[in-house]
This record gives sequence, structure tokens and C-alpha cells, in this order.
Amino acid sequence: DAGVIQSPRHEVTEMGQEVTLRCKPISGHDYLFWYRQTMMRGLELLIYFNNNVPIDDSGMPEDRFSAKMPNASFSTLKIQPSEPRDSAVYFCASSNPGQGAGNTIYFGEGSWLTVV
Amino acid sequence: DAKTTQPNSMESNEEEPVHLPCNHSTISGTDYIHWYRQLPSQGPEYVIHGLTSNVNNRMASLAIAEDRKSSTLILHRATLRDAAVYYCILRPLYSGAGSYQLTFGKGTKLSVIP
Repeated sequence: DAGVIQSPRHEVTEMGQEVTLRCKPISGHDYLFWYRQTMMRGLELLIYFNNNVPIDDSGMPEDRFSAKMPNASFSTLKIQPSEPRDSAVYFCASSNPGQGAGNTIYFGEGSWLTVV
Repeated sequence: DAKTTQPNSMESNEEEPVHLPCNHSTISGTDYIHWYRQLPSQGPEYVIHGLTSNVNNRMASLAIAEDRKSSTLILHRATLRDAAVYYCILRPLYSGAGSYQLTFGKGTKLSVIP
């Protein structure tokens, strides 16, 4: 399996621009998670989906952030407008509790975002 | 949510065993103990998990105290590739709100000395 695939791997954008991060979960996984990692706050859960439906978005920092999952193989995290404090590594992850292993979650390699 | 306490950092010599401790004194009877690690510039990856009994897999061993208030991740022979941040995380056994995601603490940064 190719694992969780994220794009872009690196992005540098100017403040005020729209940023779209993309994720392809592992085939057959019905849970998808978006995490953000910064030096100050560590790894934070932003939102997660089950069967393409958002279940908990309490971690989304503000209205500038939105996430969608139009189908089982694709999700986006959008920031509009972006601000320098959004600079972070954004991880997408997926899991299938039905596969056991205590609900192992598989992470992508991350999208490194810098807003200048 | 039950919380975990880990040392901020540890050092190990290459090819020596490493014991990474985790305290979770408020663990409930239905919480799994999970360990993940994050190598530099990569996403977290699963290492091992357990409920009550000690567990072994190809990556590591997990020793769980009899009262389950602490656990230890054991790397039998540390290699340079094991240098990472190791996270000890509690997850509920049963499904329901909050049971499927991982809540990360600060973890333990393991340095391996050649």
C-alpha cells in the first residue's frame, strides 16, 4: 500500500493567499484526521471524518480554516486567508478500526506550510 | 481524558537497550496504552500498544505495570534510526466520541549516541 499521500510537501505563500492542502487516505480506511504541528503547541487534532462526514471539528482554530471530504479517497484542508501564524506542518492520517490493532492510525509525511 | 507523563529527553548509546518510561496514574480500566514515534521530518508512526499484558513486536516491547499506572517502552538495541520523539498515548477501548483520535503530549526525545 502507498500509505497516506499528502500534497504539496512544501508550500511557501504570502499572507492573505488561499492555501489548499490535499490528502489521499489509505484505501479502505474510513477515518481521516487532520493534525497540525508547531514547536509551541506540538501535535494538535484539527478535525476528523468518519465515512466522509466530519465528526469533530472543535480543533479547527477559526473560520479561516475549512476541511472537506467529498469522497472516500480525497480530503482537503483549506486556509483562506492565510496568516503567518498558520505556518506549521499539517499531517493527514487515516485508520480503519475494523482492522484491529487497537485502532492504529497511519500518518502521511506532512505538508510543510510557510506563510510570509 | 487520562493523561500521561514522560521525561522530556533521554540519551542512549547505539546498540544498547533503551527503556522509555511513561506514567499514567489516572488510566481507566478500558484505556489502551499506545506508543507512537516521530522520526525527524516525518509523520508519527505506530510502534506498539497493549492493554494489560506485556507485548512484543518486531520494533519494540511494551512492559505494563501490574496496576497499569505506568508502562515502559523497550527498544532492545538502539540504532541511530531510533532517534525520534516517542509518544505514550492512552486510548479508550470502546468506540464512541473521542475514542478514535490520538491526543499527543510532548513525548520523549530520544537521542542515540554512536
